Amino acid sequence: GIQVEQSPPDLILQEGANSTLRCNFSDSVNNLQWFHQNPWGQLINLFYIPSGTKQNGRLSATTVATERYSLLYISSSQTTDSGVYFCAPRTARQLTFGSGTQLTVLP
Amino acid sequence: DSGVTQTPKHLITATGQRVTLRCSPRSGDLSVYWYQQSLDQGLQFLIQYYNGEERAKGNILERFSAQQFPDLHSELNLSSLELGDSALYFCASSVDGANTEAFFGQGTRLTVV
Repeated sequence: GIQVEQSPPDLILQEGANSTLRCNFSDSVNNLQWFHQNPWGQLINLFYIPSGTKQNGRLSATTVATERYSLLYISSSQTTDSGVYFCAPRTARQLTFGSGTQLTVLP
Repeated sequence: DSGVTQTPKHLITATGQRVTLRCSPRSGDLSVYWYQQSLDQGLQFLIQYYNGEERAKGNILERFSAQQFPDLHSELNLSSLELGDSALYFCASSVDGANTEAFFGQGTRLTVV
């Protein structure tokens, strides 16, 4: 099956800093989603982004499907951004999750 | 609120027992997915249904089974529970199960003691 690698595995930032999270995947995909899992365990949809670039407030994402990677940008980070960020490429069979990036934003 | 409803939110049960987790998809969504999140395995795909039919199967144990009913809600049955089955179980739904965005419920946290 498809292999999904996320980097870095852990990231600690000072409030106000910017960051880039990366997701590499091994096969062609139909689409790709980014999620934020908050400290209460909820999986919150961030982006549905098969290709190209999307922006939502302080967050933006870029997927280059032909090169099999996606990036999530977080600007001016806030403490509420803390949690785990997952990318999940979709093949014909399923949405496969990476192991996530644990983000901690310090006040 | 994603619109996907899972019940119960928490469940504590003993080894060897059987439990049923329930999921109501978002209005208009025909496909339901089940995922298991444990500390050592991450988020693992279990099974997908589309309009009542099984569409894809992942790492689902033989002790586990699922179904999607005519009203599109789904149930995940876990039997002969072991300590290692303790995990967060998520249900997700999407319109077509292939090329549309999936939305996740809040999860059911299962603790087997």
